[in-house]
Amino acid sequence: QVQLVESGGGVVQPGRSLRLSCAASGFTFSSYAMHWVRQAPGKGLEWVALISYDGSNKYYADSVRGRFTISRDSSRNTLYLQINSLRAEDTAVYYCASAGYSPKWGQGTLVTVSS
Amino acid sequence: DIHMTQSPSTLSASVGDRVTITCRASQSISSWLAWYQQKPGEAPKLLIYQASSLESGVPSRFSGSGSGTEFTLTISSLQPGDFATYYCHHYSTYVPPWTFGQGTKVEIK
Repeated sequence: QVQLVESGGGVVQPGRSLRLSCAASGFTFSSYAMHWVRQAPGKGLEWVALISYDGSNKYYADSVRGRFTISRDSSRNTLYLQINSLRAEDTAVYYCASAGYSPKWGQGTLVTVSS
Repeated sequence: DIHMTQSPSTLSASVGDRVTITCRASQSISSWLAWYQQKPGEAPKLLIYQASSLESGVPSRFSGSGSGTEFTLTISSLQPGDFATYYCHHYSTYVPPWTFGQGTKVEIK
């Protein structure tokens, strides 16, 4: 069955960087576009970024463009999100999700930006 | 970007009630709509995809309908484990962005 497992979250000071990972299994990772979605504490869901199946196209929400970079390594079946210049408003649970007719989500990893 | 408007924001209901949640898209999205259930501290759980297809393992009391701009999620007989927040989600395979409704919290009446 499809499994997506995020990791790399933690408590980080403002201005620092962090790289999130999403390990995929149970499907042909290299055939699917992948997304990152985040959810701030007590808030709704916010789309963050999309990468095409082959990594050739990347798209970002206006709120993160220029600071976040999405990437993938199909040899490792892993999706990444590099987050630079972290701000308090980036505090959220970050989910990876697979595109397709039936989106699949991971369990999320919490990023807390605090001094 | 396509905007999703979900209603109501909060819904008070009793066990056994029939519950309906509505989601409206700002323009036609065909059937590219999913519904999720989320409980505190948990990831969203996919209930319905492609507007009306029931995800494997999801009880049949959950159903989805609609296409174009108007969609509904119906719970035919509310169970104790169904008290949660529900989100609609416009998605497509390759076209960004994904957009979400603001959520409907189903509370115990």
